[in-house]
Amino acid sequence: NAGVTQTPKFQVLKTGQSMTLQCAQDMNHEYMSWYRQDPGMGLRLIHYSVGAGITDQGEVPNGYNVSRSTTEDFPLRLLSAAPSQTSVYFCASSVLLMNTGELFFGEGSRLTVL
Amino acid sequence: DAKTTQPTSMDCAEGRAANLPCNHSTISGNEYVYWYRQIHSQGPQYIIHGLKNNETNEMASLIITEDRKSSTLILPHATLRDTAVYYCIAPANAGGTSYGKLTFGQGTILTVHP
Repeated sequence: NAGVTQTPKFQVLKTGQSMTLQCAQDMNHEYMSWYRQDPGMGLRLIHYSVGAGITDQGEVPNGYNVSRSTTEDFPLRLLSAAPSQTSVYFCASSVLLMNTGELFFGEGSRLTVL
Repeated sequence: DAKTTQPTSMDCAEGRAANLPCNHSTISGNEYVYWYRQIHSQGPQYIIHGLKNNETNEMASLIITEDRKSSTLILPHATLRDTAVYYCIAPANAGGTSYGKLTFGQGTILTVHP
């Protein structure tokens, strides 16, 4: 049982490049989400999904796309990377039952955009 | 989400109890209080959550005031490994659609000293 797995752990991009951050969970969780965390800041929600085929925007969705074709995977796509997207990205998952409280987080993907 | 207010930082001696306060004066009757922590640069880790009654698990205790306007997370015997950022969160609970959209503020930096 690996939990939430994020790849890559580190990535350096040039401005304008695109890439996909991968997130996979093996706990059969309906809910998955992406957060970003800038230095000294809390986490901000980018996008989330409550099941395969269902996604919605969070607090800071601009510049990012997501899709949810399977329960296990929730990739985050950066369409045209900008230096402002330099951050640590965390994927999280949970069951969809009300108020169970526990989001499981991955170890993070550290992205630098030059 | 109900707004939460936490002290920016706190210190605690190793072996002593760490009491982390949180004000959530705008919390509504069906909103839970959640506590997470983030050690160094890892993904946040769930600690505990509660609605009205005090809660205890293997990690911590949560004391919620009767009027639910504030709560205290208690780490009964703090260790150096408990040094982390602690987040108090009170997410909206609107029919399940906002479930999991946890907003992480800046939290409390707890430093446990030898």
